[in-house]
Amino acid sequence: RKEVEQDPGPFNVPEGATVAFNCTYSNSASQSFFWYRQDCRKEPKLLMSVYSSGNEDGRFTAQLNRASQYISLLIRDSKLSDSATYLCVVISNTGNQFYFGTGTSLTVIP
Amino acid sequence: GAGVSQSPRYKVAKRGQDVALRCDPISGHVSLFWYQQALGQGPEFLTYFQNEAQLDKSGLPSDRFFAERPEGSVSTLKIQRTQQEDSAVYLCASSPLWGTNTEAFFGQGTRLTVV
Repeated sequence: RKEVEQDPGPFNVPEGATVAFNCTYSNSASQSFFWYRQDCRKEPKLLMSVYSSGNEDGRFTAQLNRASQYISLLIRDSKLSDSATYLCVVISNTGNQFYFGTGTSLTVIP
Repeated sequence: GAGVSQSPRYKVAKRGQDVALRCDPISGHVSLFWYQQALGQGPEFLTYFQNEAQLDKSGLPSDRFFAERPEGSVSTLKIQRTQQEDSAVYLCASSPLWGTNTEAFFGQGTRLTVV
């Protein structure tokens, strides 16, 4: 079983739509969680950290559900510039490994 | 430099050839990671260094893969006798210190094509 499971999509949504991605992880002892964004042929870049209390950054909201072992990312009022692949990342309890999901492809359509 | 630098950006190797991929992490970053990213997939962990110590190499797919970071800064990933299935983007990432809740910064990767 993979450490992190993520629906690859693709998600094709119109501008202004709200879209949500989920990601599940297998190790209940995992300690840290992130969402990264990766544009085509570019390196992954940190989008936001994910905390148990949930956190919001503008149109983006990230949440962690430890009981069900999943993290989510909500994007409101989608923009064309949001088109990218979104990767969930789970850091092992030892801190040695950043485990990536396969990524969810999002295309925002005019 | 300002970010993680990888070289070469692109490498075409004939099957059976040895290759060496270089990573210059952000100055002062203790942790260094190597990932392999196949087309349409997320990055897959290869190995992890804390300074010069290779603490985890569980992700290296075979004994043809070897990584080193002898002085705790620059790292090299070497692939011997390359095979077509080695074709991928190899990403290097560094982070300021070992532990949790630390962001990893990625280089732009080396795209390896084995023909």
